Amino acid sequence: SAVISQKPSRDICQRGTSLTIQCQVDSQVTMMFWYRQQPGQSLTLIATANQGSEATYESGFVIDKFPISRPNLTFSTLTVSNMSPEDSSIYLCSVETGQSNTEAFFGQGTRLTVV
Amino acid sequence: ILNVEQSPQSLHVQEGDSTNFTCSFPSSNFYALHWYRWETAKSPEALFVMTLNGDEKKKGRISATLNTKEGYSYLYIKGSQPEDSATYLCAFDSGAGSYQLTFGKGTKLSVIP
Repeated sequence: SAVISQKPSRDICQRGTSLTIQCQVDSQVTMMFWYRQQPGQSLTLIATANQGSEATYESGFVIDKFPISRPNLTFSTLTVSNMSPEDSSIYLCSVETGQSNTEAFFGQGTRLTVV
Repeated sequence: ILNVEQSPQSLHVQEGDSTNFTCSFPSSNFYALHWYRWETAKSPEALFVMTLNGDEKKKGRISATLNTKEGYSYLYIKGSQPEDSATYLCAFDSGAGSYQLTFGKGTKLSVIP
C-alpha cells in the first residue's frame, strides 16, 4: 500500500496566477499520476510523472499549462499555470505500486476555485 | 476514447435500505475493473479490483459482480448506513502499457438517517 499526503487541500486563486500542488508518498514508487475532476465530469488523467524523465501528457493537456516535477521517487508537484475559471477542479495525485491488478492509491485531493 | 458510464448519477436511500448501481465499460481489451469509494475531502479508497468474468467480490455489506462479455459491473450495498454516503467510482483498466484508469463520473449516494 501507499499513503500520499497532498497539499494544499483547497485554494481560491485569482485568474492569471499559478498554483503548485504537492504530493508526498510514504514509499518509493515508479509512476505517479495527476488527475483532475471538473464539476460534473469524470476523473481525467492529466499526465504520468516518472522520476528522471519528462512527464507524459494526455491529449488535451500540455506542459506549459501543467508543468510537473518529479525530483525523486517519493515526491511530485503539479503546477496549474495562468489559471482561468475553467481550471476550477479537484486535482488528485495517484500512485500504483507496480504489481499487476492492484488498486491505485490517491492523495486527498486539492479543490481549486479560480475567481 | 474509452467510454465508462455509471448510473444513476445520484441517489438517496433511507438507512437500512439496500441499493445497487451500475458501471458499463468496453467489452474489448478488458484487463481489470476497479471500484472506489470517495468521501468528501478524503482520498478515494479502493473497494475492489475485479478481473475475471463472473467474479463476485464482497467486503462487509458491499459486494460487486462483473460481466466482461457484456461490459458491466454492479455494486451492491446491503442495509445502507449513513457512513456509506459517498461517491462511488468505477474505473476501467485496459492494461495498455502503462497503468492507466478510465473513470466513470461516479454515483453519488446519500443515505438518509
